[in-house]
Amino acid sequence: QKEVEQNSGPLSVPEGAIASLNCTYSDRGSQSFFWYRQYSGKSPELIMSIYSNGDKEDGRFTAQLNKASQYVSLLIRDSQPSDSATYLCAGNNAGNMLTFGGGTRLMVKP
Amino acid sequence: KAGVTQTPRYLIKTRGQQVTLSCSPISGHRSVSWYQQTPGQGLQFLFEYFSETQRNKGNFPGRFSGRQFSNSRSEMNVSTLELGDSALYLCASSSLEGGSNYGYTFGSGTRLTVV
Repeated sequence: QKEVEQNSGPLSVPEGAIASLNCTYSDRGSQSFFWYRQYSGKSPELIMSIYSNGDKEDGRFTAQLNKASQYVSLLIRDSQPSDSATYLCAGNNAGNMLTFGGGTRLMVKP
Repeated sequence: KAGVTQTPRYLIKTRGQQVTLSCSPISGHRSVSWYQQTPGQGLQFLFEYFSETQRNKGNFPGRFSGRQFSNSRSEMNVSTLELGDSALYLCASSSLEGGSNYGYTFGSGTRLTVV
């Protein structure tokens, strides 16, 4: 079973802090990784993609990929209450099939 | 640019019936995938279509089927509905420019309730 694992949380951080979300994957054939944000009752929204080892920054978001350790992370700087949502990590293999983790619920407290 | 459009938004069906869900991808996107989301199992891949061909299929029974039309619009069908088929069904489209995948954009989903 090729899996993507996430801590279900909830991860609670105060407003303005850095939220760190982590994800591990078992399929070494996965070539690209994605972070989706899903608000309650809504569909997933793509916020970050990363394909190569290292960091990728976009505004307050930084995605990190370490293929040797099979580890992906998402950092959210200056967390806002509006960032409170479930964050889904997904890996994409050569077959263009996304395998999702179970998601981490983030709560940003004012 | 219009997003991924799924219809209907909500459906209530009876056990044993069949249902057809529709998805219109973002203009120019040729890859369409379907996912099932439930509280217990999370997001699970159903199948992916590209240029009217099913390229990948997830681990779902044969009651789940789909197709893609020449305009990239896709439909999925579930026959002989079971209570456990109650879920949010999400369609996602992708641009596969240059052979790479820039990530899937999801539609708003169809919430299916089987009673």
